[in-house]
Amino acid sequence: QVQLVQSGAEVKKPGASVKVSCKASGYTFTGYYMHWVRQAPGQGLEWMGRINPNSGGTNYAQKFQGRVTMTRDTSISTAYMELSRLRSDDTAVYYCARVSAAAGYYYMDVWGKGTTVTVSS
Amino acid sequence: QSALTQPASVSGSPGQSITISCTGTSSDVGGYNYVSWYQQHPGKAPKLMIYDVSNRPSGVSNRFSGSKSGNTASLTISGLQAEDEADYYCSSYTSSSTTDVVFGGGTKLTVL
Repeated sequence: QVQLVQSGAEVKKPGASVKVSCKASGYTFTGYYMHWVRQAPGQGLEWMGRINPNSGGTNYAQKFQGRVTMTRDTSISTAYMELSRLRSDDTAVYYCARVSAAAGYYYMDVWGKGTTVTVSS
Repeated sequence: QSALTQPASVSGSPGQSITISCTGTSSDVGGYNYVSWYQQHPGKAPKLMIYDVSNRPSGVSNRFSGSKSGNTASLTISGLQAEDEADYYCSSYTSSSTTDVVFGGGTKLTVL
């Protein structure tokens, strides 16, 4: 079945970096963009950016530009999201979610279970 | 502050219908038929309930329906059930060059 399996919870100190992985299975990895969405405790969903697994092209939300890097390894159908210079307000659950790469598709039909990232000194 | 505006909370009794609104601008909700709705239970990942304003994915109950008028989209849940109690988020494509999609702030649905 189609699923996205994310890496485990992380605890990081302020100023460090975190890299979260998202392994896709059950579908053609390069046929869907991978988006990253985060949710701070008690807060709503926040779009961070996305990567086209076919070309490697990315689009990042302005808020995260300069701090976020999204990459992929097509050989293992895995997408990565790295966030640097972590602050306490980066504490959140980070989700990956797929969106069809075909034109006119903008909904996330499959989501990972989320990776909790805690930033604390 | 979220790009799309939703009420913080709505409530209804079992069997009733409720509607959640999602207000944006002509650059997102009003300009495109790419509004989607997600349901999120506590501690769980969001689940797609409606896409492209009014389409339901396979497996989603027909008690859930979506519509749009101008810059405001709406999610209606009819025949409320206890299991519908959750947070609901709207999302829309946006014409911004640096953002693919924007989310609403979320609405907490309480089934009384």
